[in-house]
Amino acid sequence: DVKVTQSSRYLVKRTGEKVFLECVQDMDHENMFWYRQDPGLGLRLIYFSYDVKMKEKGDIPEGYSVSREKKERFSLILESASTNQTSMYLCASSLRTDNYGYTFGSGTRLTVV
Amino acid sequence: LAKTTQPISMDSYEGQEVNITCSHNNIATNDYITWYQQFPSQGPRFIIQGYKTKVTNEVASLFIPADRKSSTLSLPRVSLSDTAVYYCLVPEGYSTLTFGKGTMLLVSP
Repeated sequence: DVKVTQSSRYLVKRTGEKVFLECVQDMDHENMFWYRQDPGLGLRLIYFSYDVKMKEKGDIPEGYSVSREKKERFSLILESASTNQTSMYLCASSLRTDNYGYTFGSGTRLTVV
Repeated sequence: LAKTTQPISMDSYEGQEVNITCSHNNIATNDYITWYQQFPSQGPRFIIQGYKTKVTNEVASLFIPADRKSSTLSLPRVSLSDTAVYYCLVPEGYSTLTFGKGTMLLVSP
């Protein structure tokens, strides 16, 4: 069964810490995405990547950066965590030619205190 | 940019058919319509996609009228486990999907 795996299910970090959220997919997908989901706001796209070492800003990139050194791994980085970054973070991947078939991970619930 | 509008919530009972309608007035000629399902504390899951008329799979049916300005997701004989949020999506730009707030479907006994 194809998978998108997010390294942590729950995470608690302190304000000002640098936080790394890791995502790995085993489907050889070119495209990878990071969303955050908050009550009443739906899913919002933070960053995405079409290929290794490529990245594009989504709708809400402020306060975040990403890294894609290998095709299967896409990392989201919170440079200096703040309480307003407390959220559910979801990673997804898709084939380059597929605009529709996203496979999502189970999510990382991050709490910044 | 294509934008979708769907009801915020719907209620149903076990065994009933549920139809969730989504409007996408500005859909582009080449755009497909895609529906996802999300259970609490999980990532969204692809259910069905279509371009025109009717598409059916083991989970749902998707009805799209000729003008393609709306679509209806049909869930036959729902059960309690169909309680979830359902998202209607039309792609915006290359390889990105914008998820709105979706429709919260609550199925009761």
